[in-house]
Amino acid sequence: AQSVTQLGSHVSVSEGALVLLRCNYSSSVPPYLFWYVQYPNQGLQLLLKYTSAATLVKGINGFEAEFKKSETSFHLTKPSAHMSDAAEYFCAVSPKGDKIIFGKGTRLHILP
Amino acid sequence: DTGVSQDPRHKITKRGQNVTFRCDPISEHNRLYWYRQTLGQGPEFLTYFQNEAQLEKSRLLSDRFSAERPKGSFSTLEIQRTEQGDSAMYLCASSIAGNTEAFFGQGTRLTVV
Repeated sequence: AQSVTQLGSHVSVSEGALVLLRCNYSSSVPPYLFWYVQYPNQGLQLLLKYTSAATLVKGINGFEAEFKKSETSFHLTKPSAHMSDAAEYFCAVSPKGDKIIFGKGTRLHILP
Repeated sequence: DTGVSQDPRHKITKRGQNVTFRCDPISEHNRLYWYRQTLGQGPEFLTYFQNEAQLEKSRLLSDRFSAERPKGSFSTLEIQRTEQGDSAMYLCASSIAGNTEAFFGQGTRLTVV
């Protein structure tokens, strides 16, 4: 079955530091890949998605992710963390472009 | 259009009671998805519709759960004889078939006491 694994259920970074959230996927063919963000008591908001057009994907709020087929990875980065980035981040895969399968999430804490 | 709307936002019910949730998708979206999210976990897929047809149901969806989308617009998710393990956030999402981007509602938080 298709799945994603997020390394680290909690990540803490200082304000202004690099954000790196790790995600590895399992898929026999290149799938559709996503990063979603969830703020407390809110639904999920799409940050960015990979659909095979380009390996480096730019999203909202300064986030980007790079699809690396050789490593089956789709890590999320942001050069400089902001306090407002504190939230839960979910990596997700859609093998056939319909239902989405989510990872367990990584909670990002921003230290002042 | 204000996005995907879910009602109610919160529901507290006693064990054994039936509950029904409603989801109104974005108006031109023909696909509608239901997910369940428990504390500390990612959302788990339950079922999805394309127009009024239910195309896939997860094995997680016990026979106490039923979902409908009778006219291909709004959808309802009913849980019969609720159990404490049903306590979770129930999320609805919608999309256009062929477009991978799904838009999520704010969810209905169910607490079974």
